[in-house]
Amino acid sequence: EVHLVESGGGLVQPGGSLRLSCAGSGFIFKNFAMNWLRQAPGKGLEWVAGISVESDATPYATSVKGRFVISRDNSKNALFLEMSNLRVDDTATYYCGRVRGDRTGVYVDPWGQGTPVIVSS
Amino acid sequence: SSELTQPPSVSVTPGETARITCSGDALPKQYAVWYQQKAGQAPTLVIYKDTERPTGIPERFSGSSSGTTVTLTISGVQAEDEADYYCQSADISGTYFWVFGGGTRLTVL
Repeated sequence: EVHLVESGGGLVQPGGSLRLSCAGSGFIFKNFAMNWLRQAPGKGLEWVAGISVESDATPYATSVKGRFVISRDNSKNALFLEMSNLRVDDTATYYCGRVRGDRTGVYVDPWGQGTPVIVSS
Repeated sequence: SSELTQPPSVSVTPGETARITCSGDALPKQYAVWYQQKAGQAPTLVIYKDTERPTGIPERFSGSSSGTTVTLTISGVQAEDEADYYCQSADISGTYFWVFGGGTRLTVL
């Protein structure tokens, strides 16, 4: 069974940093692009960042560009999100997800269970 | 425009048909997908490529597309279908972006 498990969330002060991790299992991790997505409390879903299989493409949402860095370690089936200069509006549950599809349409399947990030003083 | 518009809420009684729409200029160019998110849980995929149903998703879930609108139809709604539903599209060529609709809360009365 395909499984994704996030970790690393927590409480951090504005301007602080946090590193999220996502462990993949049940599939050939190195063959799939991956995404980070988030959901603020009571709000909708937002794509945050993506990474290609070889890490040669790492697009970001405008809201996090220059502050967040996505990376992966295919030897460890792991995905990471390094978040810095965090703001109150970065407060959200962060999900990792496996990217499926092709140039006609892409989607996330499955999603991890999420890890909460709270940015507050 | 890269926005997707959904109604905030839809209410039906058990056994009825629920239809949730999602509109956006990008939809004719890219397939859309639908996610179901039950309270306190992560989203799960229920429809991909406008009309395809993943393994394990009940047949009462179906998708359709017409022009700039895609529709998620749930026939014979059951209490367990009460959830938030999100449409999503993406363009991974040119200006890379993923976009979600604002979500529709399906209430089973």
